[in-house]
Amino acid sequence: KAGVTQTPRYLIKTRGQQVTLSCSPISGHRSVSWYQQTPGQGLQFLFEYFSETQRNKGNFPGRFSGRQFSNSRSEMNVSTLELGDSALYLCASSLTSGAESSYNEQFFGPGTRLTVL
Amino acid sequence: AQSVAQPEDQVNVAEGNPLTVKCTYSVSGNPYLFWYVQYPNRGLQFLLKYITGDNLVKGSYGFEAEFNKSQTSFHLKKPSALVSDSALYFCAVRDDQAGTALIFGKGTTLSVSS
Repeated sequence: KAGVTQTPRYLIKTRGQQVTLSCSPISGHRSVSWYQQTPGQGLQFLFEYFSETQRNKGNFPGRFSGRQFSNSRSEMNVSTLELGDSALYLCASSLTSGAESSYNEQFFGPGTRLTVL
Repeated sequence: AQSVAQPEDQVNVAEGNPLTVKCTYSVSGNPYLFWYVQYPNRGLQFLLKYITGDNLVKGSYGFEAEFNKSQTSFHLKKPSALVSDSALYFCAVRDDQAGTALIFGKGTTLSVSS
């Protein structure tokens, strides 16, 4: 089975621009979560989508948004980029969402390295 | 609120020696605990998890972890370290009453010398 794929792998943007990152989960997985990884803050949860609905959201400003399509692929968008948004953005997929999925491990993609100049 | 602490930024061991990477947690309900490993320029790879049952959990690549409820700890162990084990290790927790978001520790860099 193919793993989680993320595109693009690297991005360079300037302040004020917006960016869209894409994630394709493992076939059959319906839950997609996004995380931001930075040296200072570590790994932080952004949001989770299941069946095209946002199920859970972390403590990030509204500039960060996402969506999920009917084929479970997900995109996240960051508008009005700031220097502090430079990070590795990781997508993770798992089979289900909700209480029964709390014990399911998540499978991570390689990440998209975003640099904001 | 949920939290995870990895008290050591770096652990250094010699190849062939046992290794331990420490993790403590805090949750309101019952914990679901996970260990992941990250190699340079790669995503996170799942190693093992504790949900319920035996306190000693065995995972991938010879790693195991011991759940200790009284000490709220979930330390990662391996009897004999390999140079190829050198990587960044993350402990993560979910609270069974707080949704499915994983809360990660800051990570511990494991360096195994030959």
